[in-house]
Amino acid sequence: DTGVSQNPRHKITKRGQNVTFRCDPISEHNRLYWYRQTLGQGPEFLTYFQNEAQLEKSRLLSDRFSAERPKGSFSTLEIQRTEQGDSAMYLCASTWSTGVDTQYFGPGTRLTVL
Amino acid sequence: GEDVEQSLFLSVREGDSSVINCTYTDSSSTYLYWYKQEPGAGLQLLTYIFSNMDMKQDQRLTVLLNKKDKHLSLRIADTQTGDSAIYFCAERDNTDKLIFGTGTRLQVFP
Repeated sequence: DTGVSQNPRHKITKRGQNVTFRCDPISEHNRLYWYRQTLGQGPEFLTYFQNEAQLEKSRLLSDRFSAERPKGSFSTLEIQRTEQGDSAMYLCASTWSTGVDTQYFGPGTRLTVL
Repeated sequence: GEDVEQSLFLSVREGDSSVINCTYTDSSSTYLYWYKQEPGAGLQLLTYIFSNMDMKQDQRLTVLLNKKDKHLSLRIADTQTGDSAIYFCAERDNTDKLIFGTGTRLQVFP
């Protein structure tokens, strides 16, 4: 297994456009997390899934954001009507929910909204 | 609410030890983690400590936890230029998400 992967690595879009990011977790992991990291800050939690169920959403996740994990494997994060304030690094992490529950992170998708 | 704080910068000479400090507020945290982030990259897990432990050593890394003061530190022995990065501490809250600090930028000079 090569770890958590994310696509695309970079996305530049114009304000008002929709964007979708994909995360492929480590194959045996049942939990998948999305975080957002802005410049000079630590990552902030957005949402997470256990298998295909979305268990928690942050207040940061406005109604323009939607995340899915339809078969309990890969996940997508969609942002509709992007705003300049959405520019950030979007990080995905996965884990097996027992014991240490260490989250392993992907390389991130850097979004720039012009 | 939960909050994790770190100093922003640390500069050390190659070969010296580095100590990065972190304070957290959630006394119910079960695990605390240290992650490393290099420019343009994701987060790499360095080490973690369970809340009932005081110390954990892993090669050049030593983690100290003072649960009474809610203080966590990461010591890097024999710091190398390749250790230059941003270091994040994180606590795991009662819903299993991670709460991160703002990160400490470690600069190692020759």
